[in-house]
Amino acid sequence: DIQMNQSPSSLSASLGDTITITCHVSQNINVWLSWYQQKPGDIPKLLIYKASNLHTGVPSRFSGSGSGTGFTLTISSLQPEDIATYYCQQGQSYPYTFGGGTKLEIK
Amino acid sequence: QVQLQQSGAELVRPGVSVKISCKGSGYTFTDYAMHWVKQSHAKSLEWIGVISTYNGNTNYNQKFKGKATMTVDKSSSTTYMELARLTSEDSAIYYCARPNYYGGSYYALDYWGQGTSVTVSS
Repeated sequence: DIQMNQSPSSLSASLGDTITITCHVSQNINVWLSWYQQKPGDIPKLLIYKASNLHTGVPSRFSGSGSGTGFTLTISSLQPEDIATYYCQQGQSYPYTFGGGTKLEIK
Repeated sequence: QVQLQQSGAELVRPGVSVKISCKGSGYTFTDYAMHWVKQSHAKSLEWIGVISTYNGNTNYNQKFKGKATMTVDKSSSTTYMELARLTSEDSAIYYCARPNYYGGSYYALDYWGQGTSVTVSS
């Protein structure tokens, strides 16, 4: 199975900050990576697909980059509604696998 | 609008089975497969498997073979997942999720059901 190593596992930042979450993958997955946002008490929601494409309705302060084995999710100008746990997931091959999640908190 | 409506929470005894459902609406049901994902405190998100809503073909995560069985009823636009021989390790929230195609052999899970909580307790 493809392993997903997501870091950090938790992150505390201030409103207006720019933060970066990293996802390292155990083998080359081209750009076949998705990012999901899960707010407290809510379901996971697709944020970014194919490494860098914003899903419909996602604010432009979110961005994704990377290819191969290294990927990043960046949130610029952090807003209160960004409090959530973020997950990366590879869509290269079955079984799909997820990163362990990054819990984002506001200082 | 696309909706995935899952069945309600289950409280079950160890050793029994449970069958949860996911009804799709707002789109052509058989045009999209359905994935199932487990979320527990200990293991974050785990992909269980995928079922073709067109012909019922399945692909399971090896970890869940023998534990989960996915089926589909096209007449009611509903997919089912049965979990067998439940233990405390199966206590979790289970989501169905609809994939969307974005190129190559890649799909992202763009719609999720509200989740079904399964609690295994004596």
